[in-house]
Amino acid sequence: DGGITQSPKYLFRKEGQNVTLSCEQNLNHDAMYWYRQDPGQGLRLIYYSQIVNDFQKGDIAEGYSVSREKKESFPLTVTSAQKNPTAFYLCASSGGETGHFGDGTRLSIL
Amino acid sequence: GQQVMQIPQYQHVQEGEDFTTYCNSSTTLSNIQWYKQRPGGHPVFLIQLVKSGEVKKQKRLTFQFGEAKKNSSLHITATQTTDVGTYFCAAWGTYKYIFGTGTRLKVLA
Repeated sequence: DGGITQSPKYLFRKEGQNVTLSCEQNLNHDAMYWYRQDPGQGLRLIYYSQIVNDFQKGDIAEGYSVSREKKESFPLTVTSAQKNPTAFYLCASSGGETGHFGDGTRLSIL
Repeated sequence: GQQVMQIPQYQHVQEGEDFTTYCNSSTTLSNIQWYKQRPGGHPVFLIQLVKSGEVKKQKRLTFQFGEAKKNSSLHITATQTTDVGTYFCAAWGTYKYIFGTGTRLKVLA
C-alpha cells in the first residue's frame, strides 16, 4: 500500500546538536510538507516543496532546513539554532485531491 | 498572509448530541479539506470540497462549503465516543495548505 513513512517515531536531541527527521513517500506525489504541532495546538507549516530540487519556507522556518533531492524523500533537519524544538513533527504529501500524513516524529530535548 | 480561523476551539458534548465546527477565511478559497486527528495520532484526510455551496455527507458527518467559498462547516449528527479527536480544516493557499487551529471534540458517555 502507498503511504508516507516517517522515522524515527521518537527522537531526543542534545544541546547544540543537529538532528534529521526522515520522510519518505511512495505515492508519487510532487508536493511534500513539514508541519510542527505543539501540545493542544494546530499545525504550523515549516517548509514545503512542490517539486524536486525546490522548496519554500513556511511560517516557522527559522532553525530548520530541508532538502528535496528525490521525489520520494523530504528530510527535515532541526538545527541547534532552533531553541525550542520539542514538538510533534508531521510530514505530509499531496497529489492535489487529498493530503496524506505520516505517523509523525516526537522530538524532545535531553 | 492568508489565515483560516476555526471555531470553537473546544467542544464537549454528551453522546448522542450533535456537533458543528466552523472554518472561516478572509479570502475566497479554491477548495477546502477536512481532517480528523485522534489523540496521539496524525491527521487523517476526511473530505475535500471544491464547489460553491457544495454539501457532502459521510454517514453521520455532513460537510458544507459556503456560497462565497469563504467558509465551511462540519456537522456530526448523534455523536459517538469514536468521534473524539481534533477536527482541522485546511485551505489551499499559494502552493501550500494552510490549516485552521482545529476544534477539539470530547464526547461524554
